[in-house]
Amino acid sequence: GAVVSQHPSRVICKSGTSVKIECRSLDFQATTMFWYRQFPKQSLMLMATSNEGSKATYEQGVEKDKFLINHASLTLSTLTVTSAHPEDSSFYICSAVPNSGNTIYFGEGSWLTVV
Amino acid sequence: EDQVTQSPEALRLQEGESSSLNCSYTVSGLRGLFWYRQDPGKGPEFLFTLYSAGEEKEKERLKATLTKKESFLHITAPKPEDSATYLCAVQLANDYKLSFGAGTTVTVRA
Repeated sequence: GAVVSQHPSRVICKSGTSVKIECRSLDFQATTMFWYRQFPKQSLMLMATSNEGSKATYEQGVEKDKFLINHASLTLSTLTVTSAHPEDSSFYICSAVPNSGNTIYFGEGSWLTVV
Repeated sequence: EDQVTQSPEALRLQEGESSSLNCSYTVSGLRGLFWYRQDPGKGPEFLFTLYSAGEEKEKERLKATLTKKESFLHITAPKPEDSATYLCAVQLANDYKLSFGAGTTVTVRA
């Protein structure tokens, strides 16, 4: 089946620094990708929609200057958490919509710990 | 306001004990209803997409059905490896993004 890969799977960073998470669609092109955040024992919360060639669309309450999204190509979107704080520690998951279909595939997720 | 509600929150089954999970939704216009399985610490794994009332899809021990107000995920003769959180999500007619329910955590005991 279709594969969406995230890197890194786990990252620890110091408070005040920035960290980048990559999301790649390995066997299909995706104009549209999504970034989610998930807290323990809770469901997925959509943060933003990433569109190749245009600015990301952020959900209400998500700081666009803190969570920078760049959709550099049809197979890569990146999420950069800037000036990270401990409260940004979470499980971040991306998903991608193949240009040739409607099924939405998810990556394996990235655990971010800010110390 | 668009809403997706899953029930029950948790389900404990004996191996072989069939059961159903419910996903009820109120949306202004539905493009599709998605079911995913999520294991702890992993991303959701795609199971099914249903597009119209009356549609059914099956995969191994899982069967998903859709009406105009809700969807069911039936687990037939479950095995311990079916233990996971099952998420449903709706996709609106004018967008690709998914809105998720809170999930049902299924535990199957041998």
